[in-house]
Amino acid sequence: ILNVEQSPQSLHVQEGDSTNFTCSFPSSNFYALHWYRWETAKSPEALFVMTLNGDEKKKGRISATLNTKEGYSYLYIKGSQPEDSATYLCAPGSDYKLSFGAGTTVTVRA
Amino acid sequence: DAGVTQSPTHLIKTRGQHVTLRCSPISGHKSVSWYQQVLGQGPQFIFQYYEKEERGRGNFPDRFSARQFPNYSSELNVNALLLGDSALYLCASSLLAGPSYEQYFGPGTRLTVT
Repeated sequence: ILNVEQSPQSLHVQEGDSTNFTCSFPSSNFYALHWYRWETAKSPEALFVMTLNGDEKKKGRISATLNTKEGYSYLYIKGSQPEDSATYLCAPGSDYKLSFGAGTTVTVRA
Repeated sequence: DAGVTQSPTHLIKTRGQHVTLRCSPISGHKSVSWYQQVLGQGPQFIFQYYEKEERGRGNFPDRFSARQFPNYSSELNVNALLLGDSALYLCASSLLAGPSYEQYFGPGTRLTVT
């Protein structure tokens, strides 16, 4: 089981502000890095699958970068909106499984 | 298009009992994975099945078992339930097996063991 750390555990953001948070994972035996958004009472929603060092992905106001050599990924939210309130999970994929971090819970205040 | 479905939504069982949880993948997806999520933690991997074969197993006791049927649906079975088995059980399907394939999650089954 991979040791995956996400920080901070939670954060509060004012509507309109931008924010970012980190996922750290072992850089050895890396295959892919998954990001999910999980809103309360809903299913986890896939945001990105990233495989290449230096990879950058974007989906609307959310973007992510990946550094496989040092074992970290950043997720950015630009111009936060109340609907961005959710727990964001990262999960390195290896062999047959995803190893999830505990997540960063984002609360956007109007 | 229907997403991943799971049944039941909620379940209450007594210690020592057995439980079966069910999952139907997205049409065309051949791989199903099971995860356990307890409050404050990320989902923990239990099993992955692909083409009816077990591809991987997480660090869970033998009380946990699963299978995949010819139509790619799957069951997770837990015997001799313990209080610590209370959790949200998530099923995810993917087109193929492998760490680079996007996994699509169902809404989960909330299991409470009393």
